[in-house]
Order: sequence, then structure tokens, then C-alpha cells
Amino acid sequence: LAKTTQPISMDSYEGQEVNITCSHNNIATNDYITWYQQFPSQGPRFIIQGYKTKVTNEVASLFIPADRKSSTLSLPRVSLSDTAVYYCLVGVPFNDYKLSFGAGTTVTVRA
Amino acid sequence: SAVISQKPSRDICQRGTSLTIQCQVDSQVTMMFWYRQQPGQSLTLIATANQGSEATYESGFVIDKFPISRPNLTFSTLTVSNMSPEDSSIYLCSVEEGSGGNGYTFGSGTRLTVV
Repeated sequence: LAKTTQPISMDSYEGQEVNITCSHNNIATNDYITWYQQFPSQGPRFIIQGYKTKVTNEVASLFIPADRKSSTLSLPRVSLSDTAVYYCLVGVPFNDYKLSFGAGTTVTVRA
Repeated sequence: SAVISQKPSRDICQRGTSLTIQCQVDSQVTMMFWYRQQPGQSLTLIATANQGSEATYESGFVIDKFPISRPNLTFSTLTVSNMSPEDSSIYLCSVEEGSGGNGYTFGSGTRLTVV
């Protein structure tokens, strides 16, 4: 599985947009990029998945440049409840079922 | 998406004893996964459990220490055997959503403290 690199932590304030960039220089042709969110005392929760360009859902947007060597998770107008650890994973859905979690990015949202 | 019920949610156990963690899914799934998350750390895959076959363990994890059962397509158990304080962690089970495009669903975890 492709190795990923993310910032260890990020601070933000309520109402701001938070952008977390993940580097995956060795991403393979068939790999997808998936982001998970984990609150304290809970299991990770799927946020968004994409292959190229831009994907948007009700929670976040995922921007993937043409070379796919990085991706950016964008959380619009964060609130205190968005304080969590965010993990970026790379692999092929169903084939690479061994999810490999990196250290993740701890996002702290302040009032 | 699948709903996972994991029991117990937490436990405090004496060293040398064993604890069995249950994972119940509200739909049939081919593979179930067991993870460990040590305090302040990321998740590490322990093993993959397929119904009707032996579980597949990752490097550093052995069946004698973490026996797994998978009696049907909606249920699995993970036992942490002969526990020591180093086994204090959160243990989570996970399943893959059917289409693959919605990632994996995780249980809320079992917080284990060994004293």
C-alpha cells in the first residue's frame, strides 16, 4: 500500500475552512484516496473517497491534482464538533482490504 | 451503511486473564477485521476473519494470543489471552461496505485496561 504523509496537527477556529493535505508520492494507478475521521472514544468514520479531480459530499470536499501524488481534504466552516483525528488512506477498494492507518492529523477547532 | 455492535464497550481486567470481545453486524459480510489502537496511537490491523476459515494474522500478532472466531456472516469474536498491561488498548472491529466506494465501517471499540 502507498505510504501517506500528513501534518501531525492543525488548529483552526469556528467558521473557518480547514484544508488538510496528504502526500502519497507512490500512489498506484488503481489506488483510491480515502479519508476517515475519528472522535475520541469512537471508531473511525468514513468521510470521503476519490480517484481524481474533485469529489464533494455533504461533509467535505476532496481535491486531487492530475498527478495524484497528493490530495487535500477540505472541511468548510468547521465547528467545535469537527475536532477529531483525520486519516488519509490510499489503496484499492475491496482489493487492498488491509487498511493501513498512518499517524493522522489532529484538528483542533477553537471557539 | 452497516451497523456494528461491539461488546463490551470497556473492561478492566487482571493480568493473566482473558477477555472475549464480540462484534455483531446487522448485515452479512464476507470479511471482518480486528484492529488495535494503543493509547495516543493510530490503528494497527490485528487480523482478518473470514467465515468458515482460519483468521489471517498480521505480523506481530499470533493466534495463541488473539484467537478469533467467525461462526457466521454477521458475528465474530476476538479473545485477548493471558493479558498483560501492554495489552491495554482499544480494540475495534470493522467491515467493508458492500460497494467498496463507501469505505469501511468501524465499531465503537472496546477499551481494555489490564491491571
